[in-house]
Amino acid sequence: EVQLVESGGVVVQPGGSLRLSCAASGFTFDDYAMHWVRQAPGKGLEWVSLISWDGGSTYYADSVKGRFTISRDNSKNSLYLQMNSLRAEDTALYYCAKAQGGNYFDYWGQGTLVTVSS
Amino acid sequence: EIVMTQSPATLSVSPGERATLSCRASQSVSSNLAWYQQKPGQAPRLLIYGASTRATGIPARFSGSGSGTEFTLTISSLQSEDFAVYYCQQYNNWPPATFGQGTRLEIK
Repeated sequence: EVQLVESGGVVVQPGGSLRLSCAASGFTFDDYAMHWVRQAPGKGLEWVSLISWDGGSTYYADSVKGRFTISRDNSKNSLYLQMNSLRAEDTALYYCAKAQGGNYFDYWGQGTLVTVSS
Repeated sequence: EIVMTQSPATLSVSPGERATLSCRASQSVSSNLAWYQQKPGQAPRLLIYGASTRATGIPARFSGSGSGTEFTLTISSLQSEDFAVYYCQQYNNWPPATFGQGTRLEIK
């Protein structure tokens, strides 16, 4: 059974930093690209970032480019999102999602909540 | 960036009836279109990919159609568990992967 479990979400002040983690199990982690997708309270889904299976390629939404860094450790079956210079508009539930095919999302975690507030 | 527009924003349908949800892309995405269902407090769940292929374990009452810029998700006979928010997502031209704003399917 595929499982994705996010952690690391907390309340942080504007300008602060945070690192999210996603622990994966139930599939061969290093065979797949992985994504972060976020959802602001009461809003729709917004793609945030993608990392290739080997970590060699990364992509970001314009809204987070230069502030967020995606990474992975295939030896630990883990995905990360380093979030710097956080803004109020980064407040959201952050999901990790497994990529499939041409980059749709076949499995999602339950999300971890990041709140940026003073 | 490709903009995905879903209609209607809210759809009220009675159990047992058919529901038809629409998704339009601002430019062609071929058949690289997925549909997701999200219930309150839950993560999204993949329903359809490739515009018309049901994901593993998805009931046959869910069907997808369309290509290019116009897509439809049809739920043939609504069950109580189908009332949720539905999102379309294109994965033809990216980054970024882009989602529609969602259609809320509610009980009439």
